[in-house]
Amino acid sequence: GAGVSQSPSNKVTEKGKDVELRCDPISGHTALYWYRQSLGQGLEFLIYFQGNSAPDKSGLPSDRFSAERTGGSVSTLTIQRTQQEDSAVYLCASSFGYGRGGFEQFFGPGTRLTVL
Amino acid sequence: AQSVTQLGSHVSVSEGALVLLRCNYSSSVPPYLFWYVQYPNQGLQLLLKYTSAATLVKGINGFEAEFKKSETSFHLTKPSAHMSDAAEYFCAVSGTGANSKLTFGKGITLSVRP
Repeated sequence: GAGVSQSPSNKVTEKGKDVELRCDPISGHTALYWYRQSLGQGLEFLIYFQGNSAPDKSGLPSDRFSAERTGGSVSTLTIQRTQQEDSAVYLCASSFGYGRGGFEQFFGPGTRLTVL
Repeated sequence: AQSVTQLGSHVSVSEGALVLLRCNYSSSVPPYLFWYVQYPNQGLQLLLKYTSAATLVKGINGFEAEFKKSETSFHLTKPSAHMSDAAEYFCAVSGTGANSKLTFGKGITLSVRP
């Protein structure tokens, strides 16, 4: 079956513009995660969705970052008034379940964001 | 809070040599532990995971890891390195329920010399 897909694969924007990044999880996966990967900070957690609710938003770095998930499926990460330090690869992952834990998270190919 | 320490950023081995990538974790609850691999310009792929069953876990591509609670370690090994193993390796820890996010170490780049 299809894996996690993300779009766009690359996004170049100017400082101060808003961007939207999209994630399509694996069908049937109830959990969805956003991470970002940058040279200086490594892999950082941003936000976790279980269904359409977000029980853990602790990784969002500022109020310029927001995310939503609709229909328990597609998620959009929005960055408002982008800054150069937002340049990174944004990764989405999905998995089964909740509760016991230890479920494998399947990662998408990422969106490379460059803020000029 | 949970954390992972991967000492060193780069390991170089000869083809056919033992691969040992170290990972130590900190967790206030019984952890779930993972090793992910990232090949150049590709996404993250799960190598193996520990979920409180067997302490010696076997994964893909001949890799294995042993969970040692007394040492808070989950080191990754492979008896004989192959050129195709050159990649970046990440150790990660997670909890359960609302704490199921992955907390990653900084990663180790493995180079394999012919």
